[in-house]
Amino acid sequence: DAMVIQNPRYQVTQFGKPVTLSCSQTLNHNVMYWYQQKSSQAPKLLFHYYDKDFNNEADTPDNFQSRRPNTSFCFLDIRSPGLGDAAMYLCATSRDRMLTQETQYFGPGTRLLVL
Amino acid sequence: LAKTTQPISMDSYEGQEVNITCSHNNIATNDYITWYQQFPSQGPRFIIQGYKTKVTNEVASLFIPADRKSSTLSLPRVSLSDTAVYYCLVGGAGSARQLTFGSGTQLTVLP
Repeated sequence: DAMVIQNPRYQVTQFGKPVTLSCSQTLNHNVMYWYQQKSSQAPKLLFHYYDKDFNNEADTPDNFQSRRPNTSFCFLDIRSPGLGDAAMYLCATSRDRMLTQETQYFGPGTRLLVL
Repeated sequence: LAKTTQPISMDSYEGQEVNITCSHNNIATNDYITWYQQFPSQGPRFIIQGYKTKVTNEVASLFIPADRKSSTLSLPRVSLSDTAVYYCLVGGAGSARQLTFGSGTQLTVLP
């Protein structure tokens, strides 16, 4: 089945130690998104790629970066994780952001723990 | 940016119909209304989307009045497995702003 895959499901890192979360998709969608979701809060969009075009949200900290080497893969890099970055990180895709009706397909998320 | 307002939580019993209303007073002309469901430790899942009047699919109905300033998600005969957080999103073409999630409604279905 076509899907959005996130690995690992759980990631433990140390304070200040760079960490990379990965996302892959078999849907061949143009758009890939990264969200951060803290406990009991709604998902918050960090950035998205429309094909190779990177779009950063205004309030996304510089500590968060992203790479999309090809259509299928997208990575979230946290350069120096702090305790406040512990959260669930969700990857999502959509076929195209230019259509009037557009739905997103979410992966299962990676829960990041910062020690 | 269309801001949405939903009740924080709702309780229901198995077999009942549940209606969750979302307010979006500053919805734009080309905005669609989309609802997602999220279970603990999972990503949100698309439920239904509409523009006006009524939309129905195999899991839910979406009622949108003529002024489109609110919408109501209707879940028929809920079961325990419908316990989840439900998010209402409003947005339109060509913009990632539709991807601003509101606070969501925690639905708890009781036996």
